[in-house]
This record gives sequence, C-alpha cells and structure tokens, in this order.
Amino acid sequence: GEEVAQTPKHLVRGEGQKAKLYCAPIKGHSYVFWYQQVLKNEFKFLISFQNENVFDETGMPKERFSAKCLPNSPCSLEIQATKLEDSAVYFCASSQSPGNQPQHFGDGTRLSIL
Amino acid sequence: AQSVAQPEDQVNVAEGNPLTVKCTYSVSGNPYLFWYVQYPNRGLQFLLKYITGDNLVKGSYGFEAEFNKSQTSFHLKKPSALVSDSALYFCAVRDIRAGGSYIPTFGRGTSLIVHP
Repeated sequence: GEEVAQTPKHLVRGEGQKAKLYCAPIKGHSYVFWYQQVLKNEFKFLISFQNENVFDETGMPKERFSAKCLPNSPCSLEIQATKLEDSAVYFCASSQSPGNQPQHFGDGTRLSIL
Repeated sequence: AQSVAQPEDQVNVAEGNPLTVKCTYSVSGNPYLFWYVQYPNRGLQFLLKYITGDNLVKGSYGFEAEFNKSQTSFHLKKPSALVSDSALYFCAVRDIRAGGSYIPTFGRGTSLIVHP
C-alpha cells in the first residue's frame, strides 16, 4: 500500500498481560522502524528491520519486548508482562533506505496499561 | 555521537506573519537533516530534508529550511503562517560519517500555534 498501516489504533491491557501491535509497511520499502512516543513528545527508537532481518536493536528493552518482520506478513511488536510504564503511543515507520531517505510513519497504536 | 536540540517548547505566531522553528544539531561528521510535522493523533509527516547541495531547502506546504554549518543549525521557516500550520514540529539528524548510526535522532518537538 501507499501508507504505513498500524493496527490496532488503541489497545488496552491490564498490567501483566501481553500486548501485540502490527505494522504493514509501504510496499517496496525494505526498512521498518519502531518508535515509542511517551510524555513530552519524545520519540524513543526501539528496533529496525531490513526486510525480515534485525537491522538495529540498540533501543529495544531486552527482557519483555520482541519484534518480527516475516515475509508476506505484517511486522509485529510484542510486549510480554506489560507494565504501567509501557503506556505510550507506538509508531512504525518504513523507508526505502535507512540513510538519506525520509521515514514514512503510520498513525500509531495507543497502548494503555491499566 | 549525534544529537539535536529544539530550544523552544512552543512558538506562537499570528496568521500571516513569518514563522521560524529552531533546530540545532551536533554530529561528529556531516549531517543529514530532516523536518517532520505531527498533527493530533497522527504519525510524523515528512516536510523536507538536507542531504547536500544548496543550503536553502524547500519542502511541502510552503516550508523551507536553511542549513548553516558554522552555526550547526537547520531552522524551519515559512514566510506567511496559516492557522492550519498549528502542529508539533520535529527536527531529526543523522551523522553520515563511516560507522555512524543509520537511525536518526529526533528532537523533543516544538509546538507551533498560529493565532487567527
């Protein structure tokens, strides 16, 4: 498609439950990026993929967060045993290259942990 | 290391007046610089980028930005603001030196409010 599609738009989970977010990148874009936007608008980089391979995971919390981009499937970001502090808007972006091309963002998934 | 600063949390301007949203950066090598805009409940939308060449870059919706290497700045400008320009604006930088990160660093955002 011509837009990055993120689902669901809103996700509510009780503390300790699992949350799974999905992202369909723009067709033809090889790179996918996940960001977390928290208070004060700060964008925190989590992880990026080149096709189905992890490209950079330096921002990914090691314990409860995992992500995948499998062929012919939306990419996914999964949080196990969610905590209150995981409440944020999670954005996915895609680009043709990781360097000088802009990233195209989806509209995000708002995750609320109760 | 790469970093970017947006020194103003909020900029207020009257409709029809020129606007400037400030951005300064720090990189070890040379920068790729980007401006994005975020409307409520939406993702970032790309406005313009500086890669190389002319220091004055023109982008979407009448916005432009000037790359100033000596001042390490990349301020966003528009000659005549519209109420519909009211949004959050993010500057981003990537250091293109060999071995630098491919992941851009985003500023903390500046809220632009254009008053009728």
